[in-house]
Amino acid sequence: EAGVAQSPRYKIIEKRQSVAFWCNPISGHATLYWYQQILGQGPKLLIQFQNNGVVDDSQLPKDRFSAERLKGVDSTLKIQPAKLEDSAVYLCASTTGPGRIGNSNYGYTFGSGTRLTVV
Amino acid sequence: DAKTTQPNSMESNEEEPVHLPCNHSTISGTDYIHWYRQLPSQGPEYVIHGLTSNVNNRMASLAIAEDRKSSTLILHRATLRDAAVYYCILRVSNFGNEKLTFGTGTRLTIIP
Repeated sequence: EAGVAQSPRYKIIEKRQSVAFWCNPISGHATLYWYQQILGQGPKLLIQFQNNGVVDDSQLPKDRFSAERLKGVDSTLKIQPAKLEDSAVYLCASTTGPGRIGNSNYGYTFGSGTRLTVV
Repeated sequence: DAKTTQPNSMESNEEEPVHLPCNHSTISGTDYIHWYRQLPSQGPEYVIHGLTSNVNNRMASLAIAEDRKSSTLILHRATLRDAAVYYCILRVSNFGNEKLTFGTGTRLTIIP
């Protein structure tokens, strides 16, 4: 099966500019996640979608970050305006979804990420 | 968030077994133990997961302690391609809202 597609692969912008990242999850995967990974750290969850609804956005800096998942398929993550500390890799992941507790037959598939550099 | 503790780094010789430890003393009964690895310039890759029993797949084995407070990822015969950061993660369920919370992982170096 095709993997999680992300674009662009790299992006360099100046601080205070805006940027958008795109993610196309695996077909049929109901749950989609955006993670931020700063160099040398593990990925940090920003937002979780179930179909086209937001399940968890408690870690999303909502004054500058926004995300949407129209029609429950593709998703975009936007930063406006960008700060120097937003330099990171932005990872998208998808899964078939939690379903019932005890449904263990799924893993999470990650895309290769978008490396953002803010100068 | 449920936390795990892993060594920052480990080294192993090529073609030898590797045992990557993980402590998760605050695990609850419904938390699954997941392992992912991240190769350079790539997103994390699923390796294996389990709940109570030991698990085997084509990539690795997962040994879970009887009290579930620790687990060990076993690579039976390390190759240079296994050099990566390995993350031990608890998949926490909260009313059907599940997520993975990553720590800093163990950087595995394979010595030729």
